Order: sequence, then structure tokens, then C-alpha cells
Amino acid sequence: EVQLVQSGAEVKKAGESLKISCRGSGYIFASYWINWVRQVPGKGLEWMGRIDPSDSDTNYNPSFQGHVTISADKSIFTAYLQWSGLRASDTAMYYCVRDDSSGFYYDWGQGTLVTVSS
Amino acid sequence: DIQVTQSPSYVSASVGDSVTITCRASRDISTSFAWYQQRPGQAPNLLIYGAANLQSGVPSRFSGSGSGTHFSLTISSLQPEDFAVYYCQQAHTFPLTFGGGTRVDIK
Repeated sequence: EVQLVQSGAEVKKAGESLKISCRGSGYIFASYWINWVRQVPGKGLEWMGRIDPSDSDTNYNPSFQGHVTISADKSIFTAYLQWSGLRASDTAMYYCVRDDSSGFYYDWGQGTLVTVSS
Repeated sequence: DIQVTQSPSYVSASVGDSVTITCRASRDISTSFAWYQQRPGQAPNLLIYGAANLQSGVPSRFSGSGSGTHFSLTISSLQPEDFAVYYCQQAHTFPLTFGGGTRVDIK
């Protein structure tokens, strides 16, 4: 069974750094892109970017590029989303999503809620 | 970016009703289109991919159609577990974009 298990909820202050994780199991981790999708409370879905764990090739949504970094360690089947300077507007649920490069999101993590206070 | 406009944003319906949600893409995306259901407190779940293909395990009362710029999702005979928020998504061009969502509530 394919599973994407994300790290737990975080409460941070504006300006702090944060790295959240997503561990894949039940499939060949390096064979599928991992995407990150943001959902602000009560709002819709936004694609942030993705990474190919086999070679760490990344694509970013221009709206997020420069503010977040997506990385992966294929040896431990884990992808990461990190910020070096959080803003209150980063308060949201973040989902990691497995993708076979079709762009259709078959498998989702449970989400990591990030709360940033100003 | 390709804009995806979803309507309506809210629909109130009864168990057994049929509901249709539509999305319009700002340019031709062929059939690179998907629909998701999101129940409260849960991650989204893929219902339809390639505009009209039913994802494995999804009940046959869900159907998708369309190509180019106009797409629709129909839920025939609404069941209690179908009351949720539905999102459409274009998978044609990066950045991939979603519609604003449709909340389907019980009348």
C-alpha cells in the first residue's frame, strides 16, 4: 500500500526557519515525483512545486520560488519543504503528493499544519 | 498561468439529487484535467483524471466530461458521503492550477 506520512503540526514565529518532511513507502520512492500543495485555512489548493527524488530535479511555482526550498533524500525515502524566514501568511496546511509525472495526484499525505504567529 | 474558473462555488442539494459542477480553463488543455473531492479534515481524493476517467475505487455515480476549455463533473444520485468540497485541476502546463472549489451541502 502506498503511503505518504508527513511530519507533525508546527507552531512558529515569523522570521523563524522550518523544514517539514514527507516519507514515502509501499512503492519505489525514486520513481515518482513528490509535489507540495498549500491550502490556506478555508481556502483552495495551490501547487507549490515538485521534486524528482532520483536526481533532485525541481520545478517551482513562480509564486513560491525563492521563499521555499524543496529537497529530497532518496536513501531514506523522504522529501522536504523548508522555509528560511516564515511569514504569518505561510499559515496553512501543506500536503505532499505523489505524481507519476502525469500531473494527476493519486496519492496524498495526511497534511502538515503550519501556524506562524506575527 | 492557466486560470481555472469553477462554478458554482456553492450548491445545496438533497440525497438522491443529481449535481453538475463546471470548470473553464483559460486556454485549450485537451483532456489534461482532473477532479478531486475533499471531505472536512481530510486530504483531497482523486475522482476523475484525463477529464473522463474514473479513478479506481470511485463509485460510478461520479462522471466527468469535456475537453479543450470546458469540463464538467456530474454526481448522479447524491449520497450522504458525497457532501464535500470538489476541486478541478488543470494538469497541462506548469504551474498546475486548481479551481476555487465547490461546496456541496445538504439541503
